[in-house]
Formats: sequence, structure tokens, C-alpha cells
Amino acid sequence: SAVISQKPSRDICQRGTSLTIQCQVDSQVTMMFWYRQQPGQSLTLIATANQGSEATYESGFVIDKFPISRPNLTFSTLTVSNMSPEDSSIYLCSVGRSGEQYFGPGTRLTVT
Amino acid sequence: GQQVMQIPQYQHVQEGEDFTTYCNSSTTLSNIQWYKQRPGGHPVFLIQLVKSGEVKKQKRLTFQFGEAKKNSSLHITATQTTDVGTYFCAGPDAGGTSYGKLTFGQGTILTVHP
Repeated sequence: SAVISQKPSRDICQRGTSLTIQCQVDSQVTMMFWYRQQPGQSLTLIATANQGSEATYESGFVIDKFPISRPNLTFSTLTVSNMSPEDSSIYLCSVGRSGEQYFGPGTRLTVT
Repeated sequence: GQQVMQIPQYQHVQEGEDFTTYCNSSTTLSNIQWYKQRPGGHPVFLIQLVKSGEVKKQKRLTFQFGEAKKNSSLHITATQTTDVGTYFCAGPDAGGTSYGKLTFGQGTILTVHP
């Protein structure tokens, strides 16, 4: 298994501002994943973050809006830039291990 | 692209009744995984099925992987209030490694009335 922490756990932000979410894993992993989950909805993958290379973004998500850093094998950040109310959601990071995925507790973002 | 469909979207049961959720993929899967998300929580890995026709049990939960490796089901016998939550199936992207990204179904929200 993997122990994952995320900061902040929740935030309320003004539109037009940016928020950086941190994800810390208790051991080294090759790939980390960032998801978005609207209340009552499924998980939508934003991007895959490999250490030492640029993140790979899914259709509908762009680097200018969701820049990702992956400075080492245990840490990643996701920034939600120039926020609008439509960005209000839960953002989750996850890691894969032996084919299983382990999720952080999530960051609940509200944009007003 | 790959699609993973899950039904039903909602299921309300009385405590003690059985519950089943079904998952169908548009493509053949190398494996299928199931996750449970409690209200206010994050998804938690339950199980992975790899072999065609595989059946696995975890106490009152029975997981099946179809012969064609395109569908799966989760059955809970005699539900309890602790079973409340959303159950997701997920399959790896075609060509993905076991550490690769997953496509999640829409989830089935289970409520259990005591």
C-alpha cells in the first residue's frame, strides 16, 4: 500500500486567483496521477506526472491551466490557475503500485 | 477512447438485502479493479481481477470478471450500513502498464436503510 498526504485539505478561493495543491507519498513511486471529482461524480484524470519529465495531460486539460511539478519521486504539486467557479471540485492525487492505485485524502476547492 | 460503463447509478436497499453493480468496458481489459469511496472520503482499492471468468470473494463481497474480460460485477450479500458508499470499477488504458492510468466507471451510489 501507500500512504499519501495532501495539502490543503480544503480551501475557498476568489475567482482569478491560483491555488497549489501538494501531494506527498511515503515512498518513491514512478508515476503520480492527478484527478478531479465533482460531487457525486466519477473521477476524471487530469494528468500523469513522471519525475524528470513533463506531465502528460488528458484531453480537455492544459498545462497553462493545471501546471504540475514533480521534483522528486515522493512529491508532486498541481496548480489550478486563474480559477473560476467551474473549477470548484475535489482534487485527488494517486499513485500506482502493483497495478493498484492509492489515493490521497483529496483537496476540496470552492471558488467564489 | 476506452469507455467503462457502470449500472445502476443509484441503489437503495434495506439492510440485509443483497446488492449488485455491473461494469462494462468498450474494450477488452487486461484487468479490472474495484474501489469503494465512503461519503466524504477518497476511493479505496478493494480488489483486482486478472483472469477470464475469475471469481474472488471478500467476506460478503463477490467479484466476477467476465469470460470475454469486458465486464465485471460486484455483489454484496446481506448489506450492512457499513457498506454505504460509492463503488467504482476501473480498467487500465489499452496498452497501459500495471502502473498505468485507469479509466473509472461512473460509480454506483449505494444507500442502506437500517
